[in-house]
Amino acid sequence: GQQLNQSPQSMFIQEGEDVSMNCTSSSIFNTWLWYKQDPGEGPVLLIALYKAGELTSNGRLTAQFGITRKDSFLNISASIPSDVGIYFCALNQAGTALIFGKGTTLSVSS
Amino acid sequence: DGGITQSPKYLFRKEGQNVTLSCEQNLNHDAMYWYRQDPGQGLRLIYYSQIVNDFQKGDIAEGYSVSREKKESFPLTVTSAQKNPTAFYLCASSRAGTNNSPLHFGNGTRLTVT
Repeated sequence: GQQLNQSPQSMFIQEGEDVSMNCTSSSIFNTWLWYKQDPGEGPVLLIALYKAGELTSNGRLTAQFGITRKDSFLNISASIPSDVGIYFCALNQAGTALIFGKGTTLSVSS
Repeated sequence: DGGITQSPKYLFRKEGQNVTLSCEQNLNHDAMYWYRQDPGQGLRLIYYSQIVNDFQKGDIAEGYSVSREKKESFPLTVTSAQKNPTAFYLCASSRAGTNNSPLHFGNGTRLTVT
């Protein structure tokens, strides 16, 4: 099946630092989604990208849909303790369901 | 408020027993999904249903069964045939299909089998 490579697997940062994570796929897709999962809860959608080259912001979060349509990145600026959690990229696999990357676990120390 | 309810939050079972996880949604979504989450593995699709009385296997369906008798409900049974059932199980729903219709997740059920 389709492979999604998400990196890094984990990050340990200081409060106030910026964060960047990315995902790549082996095929072209029309939609990239970024989710965040707080500990013990279900993932929540952060940003949805529908067009190659699209750059979208949601507060301190910025995500871009790569021009090749095979990659996407998510940036978090000026991190705060509540940014802690697992961040997933996801792709819409036609005719089935979303496939998810393995996640980036973010730890923020104050 | 509309949402997805998974129950119970924590579930403990003895090896060899079947167990059913509940998932109910009042979002009027047509499609529902079950994912399994293990540390470092991301979310893996078990089963999904795009319409009542119809469902399809995902990537890791072996040892699981589902039913979709009502639009609101999509219970997952973890059978004794599932070799490693201990995991965090997430249910989700969306409007018909996933094209431009993001998933809404429940808060999960953590199943421990000993």
